[in-house]
Amino acid sequence: QVQLLESGGGIVQPGQSLTVSCAASGFTFNRYAIHWVRQAPGKGLEWVAGISFDGNKMYSVDFAKGRFSIARDNSENTVHLQMNSLRVEDTAIYFCARDRSGSADYFDNWGQGTLVTVSS
Amino acid sequence: SLVLTQPSTVSVAPGKKATITCGGDNIGSTTVQWYQHKPGQAPILLIYWDKDRPSGIPQRFSGSNSGSAATLTIWEVEAGDEADYYCQVWARGSDHPVFGGGTKLAVL
Repeated sequence: QVQLLESGGGIVQPGQSLTVSCAASGFTFNRYAIHWVRQAPGKGLEWVAGISFDGNKMYSVDFAKGRFSIARDNSENTVHLQMNSLRVEDTAIYFCARDRSGSADYFDNWGQGTLVTVSS
Repeated sequence: SLVLTQPSTVSVAPGKKATITCGGDNIGSTTVQWYQHKPGQAPILLIYWDKDRPSGIPQRFSGSNSGSAATLTIWEVEAGDEADYYCQVWARGSDHPVFGGGTKLAVL
């Protein structure tokens, strides 16, 4: 069955960098777009970034532009979210989610998330 | 950008019907998804394209969308339905999805 497993979360200081990863299995990875969605403590879901099936199109929310970058390795069935210049307000659980399509539709499978804590 | 408005909490007795709304400017002109999220778990897709259910989702969950509001209806609510529910759309003319603020369903 479809599985998405996030990793790489941890505790970092403001201004530092961290990369979280999403390992996929159970489906033909290079046919689907993958997204990152986060949930800050006590808050709702917030889309962060997405990447098309072939890696040629990447999108991100305004607060992530210039700080976060998304990339995928279709040979390893993984997607990475590199986060630079982290802020306290980036503290959240980061979920990866499979798009139903190759680019932008809806999220039909999700991982359980990895916790990123930004604190001094 | 498009803002989706959901009630913060909906309370319902077991066996009754729960209705969760998602309001947005002309939301009826786009398609809406609904997700269920329980703490510590992966979110689950409940409804896509306004009213379609993925395999494995009970018929008790139904969706509709028209005008300025989409609706998720949960029939014969069970204790296990207690969770947060989110609506989501891809805003017209935008390259990114938008989530509603979420609704906590409390089963009395």
